[in-house]
Amino acid sequence: DQQVKQNSPSLSVQEGRISILNCDYTNSMFDYFLWYKKYPAEGPTFLISISSIKDKNEDGRFTVFLNKSAKHLSLHIVPSQPGDSAVYFCAAGTYKYIFGTGTRLKVLA
Amino acid sequence: DADVTQTPRNRITKTGKRIMLECSQTKGHDRMYWYRQDPGLGLRLIYYSFDVKDINKGEISDGYSVSRQAQAKFSLSLESAIPNQTALYFCATSDKDTPNQETQYFGPGTRLLVL
Repeated sequence: DQQVKQNSPSLSVQEGRISILNCDYTNSMFDYFLWYKKYPAEGPTFLISISSIKDKNEDGRFTVFLNKSAKHLSLHIVPSQPGDSAVYFCAAGTYKYIFGTGTRLKVLA
Repeated sequence: DADVTQTPRNRITKTGKRIMLECSQTKGHDRMYWYRQDPGLGLRLIYYSFDVKDINKGEISDGYSVSRQAQAKFSLSLESAIPNQTALYFCATSDKDTPNQETQYFGPGTRLLVL
């Protein structure tokens, strides 16, 4: 049974608009939640994280929101740029992480 | 130069063969991990190591073994490869002594095909 789920395998957004990527989890004991971005033929790269004691973390165009009661987190990218086109993975845990299945984001110019 | 390197980058092997995937890092991190990625399944943890004398099984360790030869090196072995081990394999590292210790740094991946 998957503990971390990304229910949207793909998402297309117009350049300049907001991209919202979603992630659901089942284990309320997770301490940290992370987002990674992956380009083809490369390893995932860390994007942004949030601790379970917070509900929002912002870094430039990227904001992660955590709703513990709903066991849901989301990544907002504003404004979206064509270079943001990649696969995005959410991950949850403490020093070892369970990854979601990924969402492929395509930002249209 | 890349901080986390994996060799080989691509490998084709036959069922029953023994194969080793190698990972090296220059980041000085204590913690190292092996993951596999399959279409529609995301990344799944195979093994992890928090220091040279520490080895732990992940979600899907059956059919795999690892060796932590030094702080900088962590190898993954498939003793007798089978076709459902065809996947993209990633090595990652993290540092317990930094404020952002939950961040993992990934290598470029090894694409393995078992015929």
